[in-house]
Amino acid sequence: DAKTTQPTSMDCAEGRAANLPCNHSTISGNEYVYWYRQIHSQGPQYIIHGLKNNETNEMASLIITEDRKSSTLILPHATLRDTAVYYCIVRQKDSNYQLIWGAGTKLIIKP
Amino acid sequence: DVKVTQSSRYLVKRTGEKVFLECVQDMDHENMFWYRQDPGLGLRLIYFSYDVKMKEKGDIPEGYSVSREKKERFSLILESASTNQTSMYLCATQTGDLRPLHFGNGTRLTVT
Repeated sequence: DAKTTQPTSMDCAEGRAANLPCNHSTISGNEYVYWYRQIHSQGPQYIIHGLKNNETNEMASLIITEDRKSSTLILPHATLRDTAVYYCIVRQKDSNYQLIWGAGTKLIIKP
Repeated sequence: DVKVTQSSRYLVKRTGEKVFLECVQDMDHENMFWYRQDPGLGLRLIYFSYDVKMKEKGDIPEGYSVSREKKERFSLILESASTNQTSMYLCATQTGDLRPLHFGNGTRLTVT
């Protein structure tokens, strides 16, 4: 599975859009991009995933570049409860259920 | 909403004890997973199961075993707990390959 690179930490003002980048320059054509987050003292929570097209759900939007070498998770109106560690993971279909979890980005939402 | 319940939030055990960590899900998901999470190492897969009585080793199965006698329950067993098994243990479920994982809130195990 391809590896991902994320910034260690980021700040964002409450009410603004939080844009979290992820580089996955070695991604292959059949690898999906997943985003999870982990709020302190809780298990990780699924946010969104995609393959090639941009995706949007009630939590966030996922923008994948045309060459698929990077992606951005967008939280459109960040709240204090969005403070968490955000993990970007790429995973190949039929890869025996394995996900490779990195260190993620610590996102701090400031009032 | 999917509910994944881990039996204990905090657990303290002595070296050499046999430890059982229980995970129960209420959504009839096929796949269940046990991870451990350590600072600087991220989440690492210990074992997973894609059906009753089926199990597969993950990245770090040494020192652990699992049991899945019923679809809704997946148990992690530390046969003889050691201090290097002090960690946060997370259970997750999944309806099928490529589907999102649903996690419990974890069990923080301390082995003294």
